[in-house]
Parts: sequence; C-alpha cells; structure tokens
Amino acid sequence: LAKTTQPISMDSYEGQEVNITCSHNNIATNDYITWYQQFPSQGPRFIIQGYKTKVTNEVASLFIPADRKSSTLSLPRVSLSDTAVYYCLVGRESGGYQKVTFGTGTKLQVIP
Amino acid sequence: DTGVSQDPRHKITKRGQNVTFRCDPISEHNRLYWYRQTLGQGPEFLTYFQNEAQLEKSRLLSDRFSAERPKGSFSTLEIQRTEQGDSAMYLCASSRPGTGGFTDTQYFGPGTRLTVL
Repeated sequence: LAKTTQPISMDSYEGQEVNITCSHNNIATNDYITWYQQFPSQGPRFIIQGYKTKVTNEVASLFIPADRKSSTLSLPRVSLSDTAVYYCLVGRESGGYQKVTFGTGTKLQVIP
Repeated sequence: DTGVSQDPRHKITKRGQNVTFRCDPISEHNRLYWYRQTLGQGPEFLTYFQNEAQLEKSRLLSDRFSAERPKGSFSTLEIQRTEQGDSAMYLCASSRPGTGGFTDTQYFGPGTRLTVL
C-alpha cells in the first residue's frame, strides 16, 4: 500500500476553513482514499472517502487531483470541537477485505 | 445501528497475566478487524475476520495473541503472558463489503486501553 505523508500538526482559528493535504505518491489504480477523525481515548471516526475528483458530504469535502498523488480534506468553518487528529489512508480491496495503513496523522488544534 | 462496542474500556494487569477483550460489531457487518494503537501513532492492523473465518494476521500478532469470532458475530482478542510492550489501545472495527464499486467503510469501536504494569 502507498505510504501517506501529512503535516504533523496544524492550528486554525474558529470559523475558518481548514485544508489538510496528504501525499500518496505511490497510489495504485484500485486504491481508495479515506479520511478519519480521532479524538483522545476514542476510536477513529469515518469522515469521507473518495477515488478521484471531488467528494462532498455534510461534514467535509475531499479534493483529489487527476494524478491522485495527493488529496486535500477541507473542513468548512471549524469549531473547537473539531480539535482532533485527522488520518489520511490509502486502501484497497485485496484478498477479500479492505487493507489500509494508518500514518501518524495531523493533529488539528482549533483556537478560539 | 448501535455502533461497534468494546469491553472493557480499560484494563490494568500485571506482567505475565492473561487478558481477554471483547468486540461486538454492528449487527449486519460480516467483516471484523482488530488494530493496536500506541501513543502518538496511528492504528496498526492486527487481524481480520470474514464471518467466523480469520483470513489475515499481521506479523505484529505474536503467538501470545489469539483472536476468535466463533459464530461470526462478536469477537475476542486474548493476550497471554502480557508484557509491558503490550500496553496500547486495542481497537475493533467492522464493515460490510462495499457496493457500487466502492470499498467498504470501517466503523471503529471506542477501544480497550490496556496497561501492563
């Protein structure tokens, strides 16, 4: 699986849009990109998943350029409760299940 | 959809003791995963079940670790002769095969935090 690289940490003021970019240079044709959010002492929570172009749901948008070597998670108007670690994953269906590899994530601190 | 549950949430044990954790997946999910997470790191894959069959085990899963999913519903993870290096958060996730050309989405439980003294 492709290794992912993300910034270790980011700070943002409340109400701003936050963009977290993830690099996955060796992504394969049948790999998907997934983002999770994790609060301390909790399990990761699914945010969004995509294959190419743009995906949007009620909490975030995911932008994937044509070469798919990177992706950007966009969180609109963050609040203090968005302070968490955000993981970018590349995964694929292989051997009958989804193989994924978590990196070290990006610790987002939202400042009042 | 009541979510993935894990029990216990916290476990403190002495080195050399055996511990067992339980995971109850979302009811219609036939896929179940176990991960281990240490402080400051992302979760690391341990093992995977499809229904009751254990189809994949990571090299991280030493012979002191064993996992079961006897009826394809809940799963247990046992660690024998615990060591201080086993201290970590043990996470369970469940999913069902994706549809429409998409891969599945893994839903995680709250985890069991193990501390080995």
